[in-house]
Amino acid sequence: DAKTTQPPSMDCAEGRAANLPCNHSTISGNEYVYWYRQIHSQGPQYIIHGLKNNETNEMASLIITEDRKSSTLILPHATLRDTAVYYCIASWPTGTASKLTFGTGTRLQVTL
Amino acid sequence: GAVVSQHPSWVICKSGTSVKIECRSLDFQATTMFWYRQFPKQSLMLMATSNEGSKATYEQGVEKDKFLINHASLTLSTLTVTSAHPEDSSFYICSAIAGPYNEQFFGPGTRLTVL
Repeated sequence: DAKTTQPPSMDCAEGRAANLPCNHSTISGNEYVYWYRQIHSQGPQYIIHGLKNNETNEMASLIITEDRKSSTLILPHATLRDTAVYYCIASWPTGTASKLTFGTGTRLQVTL
Repeated sequence: GAVVSQHPSWVICKSGTSVKIECRSLDFQATTMFWYRQFPKQSLMLMATSNEGSKATYEQGVEKDKFLINHASLTLSTLTVTSAHPEDSSFYICSAIAGPYNEQFFGPGTRLTVL
């Protein structure tokens, strides 16, 4: 898996958009960008993934730069329940090769 | 999304005993499951890849004789921590692959405390 770099922590006011950046400058052509989050003392939760096009689902939007060297996860209206550690992971989506290497992630604190 | 369960959610045991943790995919079949370990204030570390019907693949530094993995069916993988010691106390999390892009869905985790 390509190495990813994320800021260790971020704050966001409730109701505002949370924009979480991730750098993956060594990503290879067939590696996808996956985002997961882990709320304290729980298992990680899948959020979204993408290859090169921007993606949106009911939880978030993923913006991937044209050169694929970085991406941004956007939570459009952050709530207190979005407080968690967010992990950006570059990985191959094929069977056993799709094992994930978790970095240190970004600890997002949503405040009133 | 796909649902993965773990049992038990927490366990306390004496040093030297063995503990079995179950990981089940509830609404899908999982040929491949993964086992992770997470120490306090640290990130998840992959321990092994569990393949239905075949031997597990362990990550470097993980003792296969200490962490026994069995994936006997398409919905169940088990991790047995043998002769547990206090340094094995950790949060153990499993995941299973599902969906068209092999997204991983995680269980809620099992907190193991060895006294």
